[in-house]
Amino acid sequence: QSALTQPASVSGSPGQSITISCTGTSSDVGGYNYVSWYQHHPGKAPKLMIYEVSNRPSGVSNRFSGSKSGNTASLTISGLQAEDEADYYCSSYTSSTNWVFGGGTKLTVL
Amino acid sequence: EVQLVESGGGLVQPGGSLRLSCAASGFTFSAYSMNWVRQAPGKGLEWVSYISSSSSTIFYADSVKGRFTISRDNAKNSLYLQMNSLRAEDTAVYYCARATGSIWTLGYWGQGTLVTVSS
Repeated sequence: QSALTQPASVSGSPGQSITISCTGTSSDVGGYNYVSWYQHHPGKAPKLMIYEVSNRPSGVSNRFSGSKSGNTASLTISGLQAEDEADYYCSSYTSSTNWVFGGGTKLTVL
Repeated sequence: EVQLVESGGGLVQPGGSLRLSCAASGFTFSAYSMNWVRQAPGKGLEWVSYISSSSSTIFYADSVKGRFTISRDNAKNSLYLQMNSLRAEDTAVYYCARATGSIWTLGYWGQGTLVTVSS
């Protein structure tokens, strides 16, 4: 099972909006609404930011939003802040091997 | 507060074995499915294994099937990963993670424990 495809890096200035894409297939992202997004600051525990495509857990800023179109899911962060600088991973249920993660995207806040 | 604390990592030779533990607190452990996820140095996250709340359903990634065994002790609020026939490519930080909502969402994660397989 290949990893979901994410851009290796994205960047933006404070206050701007950025979008991270996550491309899979009809066997994972396109076929099920079990796409999640995780924020990972190196050396810390990963944190759930979005689940089931577009739902935000309690306590996560509404600056974070998720969506899906076809086989591609997206995470949008609006009003970028310095603390948003981290690695972001998407994941999806997959009919072949249960779970698959994206390769990760490093977000740099300029 | 949900807490997951992994332990048991360390340096092991290729072909060796190691047992990881994850101590859970702050929630009813027996009500939730659990997972192990790993991150190799410089790489992304990789799901390793899943166990349902009652241990009745278990899944493994193909990369560890036949070598790793996941288990849990609900009386001790603990999750385990027995790793045998370790290879250099198993070198990674191993995280335990608790499902939340659907079993396919990992809502809480521990800080991880480092496993290094090297001679």
